[in-house]
Amino acid sequence: GIQVEQSPPDLILQEGANSTLRCNFSDSVNNLQWFHQNPWGQLINLFYIPSGTKQNGRLSATTVATERYSLLYISSSQTTDSGVYFCAVPLQQGGSEKLVFGKGTKLTVNP
Amino acid sequence: DAMVIQNPRYQVTQFGKPVTLSCSQTLNHNVMYWYQQKSSQAPKLLFHYYDKDFNNEADTPDNFQSRRPNTSFCFLDIRSPGLGDAAMYLCATSRDWFRQQRADTQYFGPGTRLTVL
Repeated sequence: GIQVEQSPPDLILQEGANSTLRCNFSDSVNNLQWFHQNPWGQLINLFYIPSGTKQNGRLSATTVATERYSLLYISSSQTTDSGVYFCAVPLQQGGSEKLVFGKGTKLTVNP
Repeated sequence: DAMVIQNPRYQVTQFGKPVTLSCSQTLNHNVMYWYQQKSSQAPKLLFHYYDKDFNNEADTPDNFQSRRPNTSFCFLDIRSPGLGDAAMYLCATSRDWFRQQRADTQYFGPGTRLTVL
């Protein structure tokens, strides 16, 4: 099956710093999602990005499908950005899909 | 606001005592999923419903069952919880991939954190 790898596994930043998180996947995909899991466990959709670049405030994401990777950029980080960031790719099964998750990047933003 | 709701948010049960977790959605999505997430791990799919069709993952233990009485509600039943079943349980929904002709975003509820004593 498809493999999803994220790097780095852990990242510690000072408030205000910028960061780049990476997601590599082993096979071609027609979608990729980035999630933020906050300290209370809620998984929040950040981006649905099969290809190209999208921006939402201080966050942006780029997926290069032909080279099988996606990047999540966080600019001017804030303590509320802390948590675990997951990327996930869908595996179609009949009329629905199964998400294959990477192991996540744990981000800690210190004040 | 359209959303995915999970109750309760925290559940404590005793070893071997059956427990039911619930999920409801106002998105009118026809696909619903249950994931298990253990500490410091990624979510792992247990099973999903495509309308009323139940799809079990091959490695999901028999101890885990699910019911979907209607489009809006889905339940996760753990028949005899063991200490290893302590985890966060996440419910998610999505639209029908065939109708959308593309993979669609999954929307997650806030989760239920299960403790087994």
